[in-house]
Amino acid sequence: AQSVTQLDSHVSVSEGTPVLLRCNYSSSYSPSLFWYVQHPNKGLQLLLKYTSAATLVKGINGFEAEFKKSETSFHLTKPSAHMSDAAEYFCAAGGTSYGKLTFGQGTILTVHP
Amino acid sequence: EAGVAQSPRYKIIEKRQSVAFWCNPISGHATLYWYQQILGQGPKLLIQFQNNGVVDDSQLPKDRFSAERLKGVDSTLKIQPAKLEDSAVYLCASSLPGAVDGALHFGNGTRLTVT
Repeated sequence: AQSVTQLDSHVSVSEGTPVLLRCNYSSSYSPSLFWYVQHPNKGLQLLLKYTSAATLVKGINGFEAEFKKSETSFHLTKPSAHMSDAAEYFCAAGGTSYGKLTFGQGTILTVHP
Repeated sequence: EAGVAQSPRYKIIEKRQSVAFWCNPISGHATLYWYQQILGQGPKLLIQFQNNGVVDDSQLPKDRFSAERLKGVDSTLKIQPAKLEDSAVYLCASSLPGAVDGALHFGNGTRLTVT
């Protein structure tokens, strides 16, 4: 069985400051890991994915995430927040069957001017 | 490429009524998924199709929910009868066979309110 825990339900930052969204996972094997973003009234859009290649993964819009097996973490970062980054972010783990993703509870990112 | 299409965008029904949602996946995507997203929670997989066969429906409440994917393209998800706790956003997603890039492509969802 897998589980994904997003450690913060809400994160608030000022525009131009760094963003850190935290995600821990639990799995009996090394899973594939994903970050998705969801803007209001929209579907989920893939930001980046880790599939056992490089542990530092770069995604779209300047986001990146680092897979740390020893810490079972896959935190999402961005050096400088933009107003358009305001959205809800979901961390997900992939099972043995591609597509059966287990999602975390989500983190709402607010960006202040 | 055109994205995953879902309709309707919004639906309000009374409890015990029935409702159906429709999904048209990205062309060429053999795998189709229905996820339920309750407010404040992450999406939960209800059912996964490979072409027109069911791969996983272990979390589908089969006493009230049903889904089909005729001809391996479009899919419909039905709830009958609806309960208050079915209020959620129903997301359809599709991917290439075996999800070559490991990623799902989601539609904008159908927001269901059961009163």
